Amino acid sequence: GESVGLHLPTLSVQEGDNSIINCAYSNSASDYFIWYKQESGKGPQFIIDIRSNMDKRQGQRVTVLLNKTVKHLSLQIAATQPGDSAVYFCAESGSSGSARQLTFGSGTQLTVLP
Amino acid sequence: DARVTQTPRHKVTEMGQEVTMRCQPILGHNTVFWYRQTMMQGLELLAYFRNRAPLDDSGMPKDRFSAEMPDATLATLKIQPSEPRDSAVYFCASAPVGEPQHFGDGTRLSIL
Repeated sequence: GESVGLHLPTLSVQEGDNSIINCAYSNSASDYFIWYKQESGKGPQFIIDIRSNMDKRQGQRVTVLLNKTVKHLSLQIAATQPGDSAVYFCAESGSSGSARQLTFGSGTQLTVLP
Repeated sequence: DARVTQTPRHKVTEMGQEVTMRCQPILGHNTVFWYRQTMMQGLELLAYFRNRAPLDDSGMPKDRFSAEMPDATLATLKIQPSEPRDSAVYFCASAPVGEPQHFGDGTRLSIL
C-alpha cells in the first residue's frame, strides 16, 4: 500500500543553526500535508500544514516546502533552539473531504546540540 | 488554550481484563479520532467519528475493540479482553471540520 516515509530517522544540529527535516510521500492523490512535533510523554503537537495548491508556507520560525513533482515535503526550522528537540512527523491526507484522515510517517528525532 | 483530555494517563493491567480509555474532545470540535502508537508500527488510525457517528473503524480489531461517543463531550475506546500485544500509547485527537487535528497526551497502556 502507499505510505508516507522519512529520509532520516535522526538529525542533530547545533543550537542556532537551521534544521531541515525531509519527508517523501507516495500517494500522488494526497492534497493536504501536515507536520507535527512530539515531545517525550506527550501527544503530537500541530506545527504547520499546507495544501497541494501551494508550494511554500511560512509560520513562526518554520517553513514547509512542498514539491509535488517529486512527492517531497520538508520542514525548515530557523535558528533551532533546545526546545525544538523532539520527534517530528509528517502526515498526508488523500481525502479532499472534511474528515482529514491522516497517514503518518515514521518520524525524525531532532536533537539540538549546545 | 483548549486541550484534548485523556484519562487515565497510564494503565497497567493483566491480560484478559477490560480496559476503558476516555477522551474529552475540545469543545466545538465535531470530529474525533483514536490512534495507537507503537515503536514498530508508529501512529495508526483506529477509528474516527463525525458528530458522534462512527465514520470509519477499519483500523480497529473488531473482535476485541470498540469505540463509542455517548455524547459530544466524551469518546471511549474499550478493549475486552485485553492482550499483551495491545500494549501501546493510545491517542485521541479532535478537530473542527477541515481543520488540523489536536491531540491529547495519550493513555500509556501496558498489558501484562
